[in-house]
Amino acid sequence: NAGVMQNPRHLVRRRGQEARLRCSPMKGHSHVYWYRQLPEEGLKFMVYLQKENIIDESGMPKERFSAEFPKEGPSILRIQQVVRGDSAAYFCASSFLRSRTGELFFGEGSRLTVL
Amino acid sequence: AQTVTQSQPEMSVQEAETVTLSCTYDTSESDYYLFWYKQPPSRQMILVIRQEAYKQQNATENRFSVNFQKAAKSFSLKISDSQLGDAAMYFCAYRSAMLEMGGSEKLVFGKGMKLTVNP
Repeated sequence: NAGVMQNPRHLVRRRGQEARLRCSPMKGHSHVYWYRQLPEEGLKFMVYLQKENIIDESGMPKERFSAEFPKEGPSILRIQQVVRGDSAAYFCASSFLRSRTGELFFGEGSRLTVL
Repeated sequence: AQTVTQSQPEMSVQEAETVTLSCTYDTSESDYYLFWYKQPPSRQMILVIRQEAYKQQNATENRFSVNFQKAAKSFSLKISDSQLGDAAMYFCAYRSAMLEMGGSEKLVFGKGMKLTVNP
């Protein structure tokens, strides 16, 4: 039973380019969460999605960042016109609908470096 | 909004000794989950232990146990017989269990604490 799969694991972009990070949740999970971890810091919530719906995007920057979780395929976190401050590890997590244990299952993260 | 505080940025422990990591949180909710996650150099987030707020009994997982003090909003992690593989960043996290009453689905993390295990 595969866990949460994220790709790419490492991505290098120049300032002004676009970054796309993908996340396939665990089988049977319908909820996806994206978190950002800046160097030497904890994980900050960005967005929570269900299939075809954004439920909570209170942690997303207002500009350049977007997320989707289509009916088919992985969830995508898209960062347009990247800047050096976007360099971070981006983690995806998934869970069952209204998980009784409250647990989120994390992927291994995607590390974005902006040159 | 809920907050999680880990006031110790770093700690060290001798191999085979016991160490306690502290965590406090703030919430007005009565039902919630608390977690300790471990992040080794590989950066994978690994769940160490989970506590449900309505359970008075402290959770235990092998060498890991918690001291959950609900009234004090404290949730410390004790690692017994420390091993070199325990060296990692440790994050305390909170999640609401009151989803039907408008609680948020998201996990709220503390800033983390770096644990070093000395041989």
